[in-house]
Amino acid sequence: RKEVEQDPGPFNVPEGATVAFNCTYSNSASQSFFWYRQDCRKEPKLLMSVYSSGNEDGRFTAQLNRASQYISLLIRDSKLSDSATYLCAVPSGGGADGLTFGKGTHLIIQP
Amino acid sequence: GAVVSQHPSRVICKSGTSVKIECRSLDFQATTMFWYRQFPKQSLMLMATSNEGSKATYEQGVEKDKFLINHASLTLSTLTVTSAHPEDSSFYICSARDFRGGLAYEQYFGPGTRLTVT
Repeated sequence: RKEVEQDPGPFNVPEGATVAFNCTYSNSASQSFFWYRQDCRKEPKLLMSVYSSGNEDGRFTAQLNRASQYISLLIRDSKLSDSATYLCAVPSGGGADGLTFGKGTHLIIQP
Repeated sequence: GAVVSQHPSRVICKSGTSVKIECRSLDFQATTMFWYRQFPKQSLMLMATSNEGSKATYEQGVEKDKFLINHASLTLSTLTVTSAHPEDSSFYICSARDFRGGLAYEQYFGPGTRLTVT
């Protein structure tokens, strides 16, 4: 099983809809999880951090399911500007390590 | 969030030459920085961890003699791709951890350097 797995998509979603996608991780000892947003040919930008059961920031909600080892990202009232690739990341080992990224989920919001 | 810069943003070089990429934390001190590489349609892959004042830690499969890392100050890490070849063409991105907020696990990325070796 790969360390961090994501459905690559693309997810084609009409503007205003709610969309959710998951990220599964293999290391059951992981304590922190991150969602990054990456636009084409740009660097990843931190969207949300998850250290316990979940986190919410405006239209974005991240939830952690430790039993099934996945985190989800929910986007409500999607905007055209939400179109991007969403990367899930988990620390590679202990807290001082770099991140292991999934391949990303490509989201396209359609007008 | 913390601000990380990289220079240059884009570089084209000939095969066999060396290229240096700088990564700076602009508004905070970073004892640890990370270097990643991203090939087209692939995810970011961690190359190495850069530690201020000590040797870098390289991931398995990354040649330390080819990718030289220097972290001489708390705000600057450099990656030098030595004797570059076309297969080294990639998007190189650095990140740094900002400890000021108490949560030391969050990493902030620089804008990346697109390297093309001809």
